[in-house]
Amino acid sequence: EPEVTQTPSHQVTQMGQEVILRCVPISNHLYFYWYRQILGQKVEFLVSFYNNEISEKSEIFDDQFSVERPDGSNFTLKIRSTKLEDSAMYFCASSDDTYGYTFGSGTRLTVV
Amino acid sequence: GNSVTQMEGPVTLSEEAFLTINCTYTATGYPSLFWYVQYPGEGLQLLLKATKADDKGSNKGFEATYRKETTSFHLEKGSVQVSDSAVYFCALPTLYNFNKFYFGSGTKLNVKP
Repeated sequence: EPEVTQTPSHQVTQMGQEVILRCVPISNHLYFYWYRQILGQKVEFLVSFYNNEISEKSEIFDDQFSVERPDGSNFTLKIRSTKLEDSAMYFCASSDDTYGYTFGSGTRLTVV
Repeated sequence: GNSVTQMEGPVTLSEEAFLTINCTYTATGYPSLFWYVQYPGEGLQLLLKATKADDKGSNKGFEATYRKETTSFHLEKGSVQVSDSAVYFCALPTLYNFNKFYFGSGTKLNVKP
C-alpha cells in the first residue's frame, strides 16, 4: 500500500535554529498538508498546498513557517527560528480528490 | 464551521469488553465522517469512514454509523484486544475545504489483559 514517508522521525534542535522537515507524498496525489500535534493535545491543521502554492493556512502558520515542493517528489516544512512551543509531532499528509487522505508517521520535533 | 466533540479519556477496559467512544458533530450539510487511530509512537491511520447519512463504516472489528438525527458517529467494537490500545480521533472536513480536516481532541483507550 502506498505510504507517505517523513524524515527524520525525531529531530532535536536548539531554540532559534532553522529546521526543515521532509515528506515524500504518495506519487499520484495532488494535495499536500502539514498538521501539528503538541504532546497530548489535538491534531491541528497548519497548511494545505495545491498546484505549487498554499491553498489555505491556519493562524499557527505565521511568517516563521514556509512550505515548498522543491522537486516532483518532496514536500518540506521549514521553521525559520524555532521556539520552545514549536515542539510537537508534525504530520505530513497527501490526498487525491476522492478522500484518499494518507498521513505519514510523523516527525517529533523537540526544541531545547 | 464544522466541528466534532469527542468523549474525554482515558478509557480503560478489560480484554473482550465492549467499547463505545462517543463523537458528535456540528456541520453544514452532510460531510463525510472519519475515525483515525494513533498507536503508541506512530502516525495517524484511517480506521474507517462513512460518506453519507445512515452509512456504517467498519474495519478491524470497529464500526461507526453516521446518524444525522443525533449528529453522532460513535465508534464501537464488540470485543477489544490489548492491541487496540491507542488514541482514537473523530474527524470531519471543514466547511470550506473538504480536504482539510478538523480533528476531535482524541480519546485514549487502554485495554488490560
